[in-house]
Amino acid sequence: AQTVTQSQPEMSVQEAETVTLSCTYDTSENNYYLFWYKQPPSRQMILVIRQEAYKQQNATENRFSVNFQKAAKSFSLKISDSQLGDTAMYFCAFRSGGTSYGKLTFGQGTILTVHP
Amino acid sequence: DVKVTQSSRYLVKRTGEKVFLECVQDMDHENMFWYRQDPGLGLRLIYFSYDVKMKEKGDIPEGYSVSREKKERFSLILESASTNQTSMYLCASSFGGNIYEQYFGPGTRLTVT
Repeated sequence: AQTVTQSQPEMSVQEAETVTLSCTYDTSENNYYLFWYKQPPSRQMILVIRQEAYKQQNATENRFSVNFQKAAKSFSLKISDSQLGDTAMYFCAFRSGGTSYGKLTFGQGTILTVHP
Repeated sequence: DVKVTQSSRYLVKRTGEKVFLECVQDMDHENMFWYRQDPGLGLRLIYFSYDVKMKEKGDIPEGYSVSREKKERFSLILESASTNQTSMYLCASSFGGNIYEQYFGPGTRLTVT
């Protein structure tokens, strides 16, 4: 079974600065997908960014980028130019590339607070 | 815009009651999921369904059952609620295929007293 570990329960950053959230995972598979989801306070969880394991290039979405290290099984999220609206809980998630019906395995979550 | 709705934002039930949590999605998604979210544990999968009337156990199915009679609706049932089922329950849906993201509902915070 796959496991996903987020070792930082809480992080904080000043507005306009850069912060990196860590995620490691354990799998014996070669083909899989990784996701970062954001859950703002009292609001619905939304997808931030996704990475296909077969792609060497790190995914980017505006101010959000990942550092995907397949051999190290590491998938960190970098938020540049942090904004107050980035305050949320962030979850790293793993999905098998095989027949899994889209099931996700989530990490424990990291609460990020952006200070003005 | 994809919309996933859940029947209640907050629910308070007594121990031993039968509890129904309903989830509806409007995007014709094949897959639907029920998770519970607890501090320090992240989201854990309770049950999922990949088609009407089809269901599969997730990682923590004990004490729960599900029903999917229509494609857009997925219900979570607590047959006899217990205090250790006090939690946030999140529903999600997605298209079939592993590349597709899951879309989440707003969650139901259930308290069992």
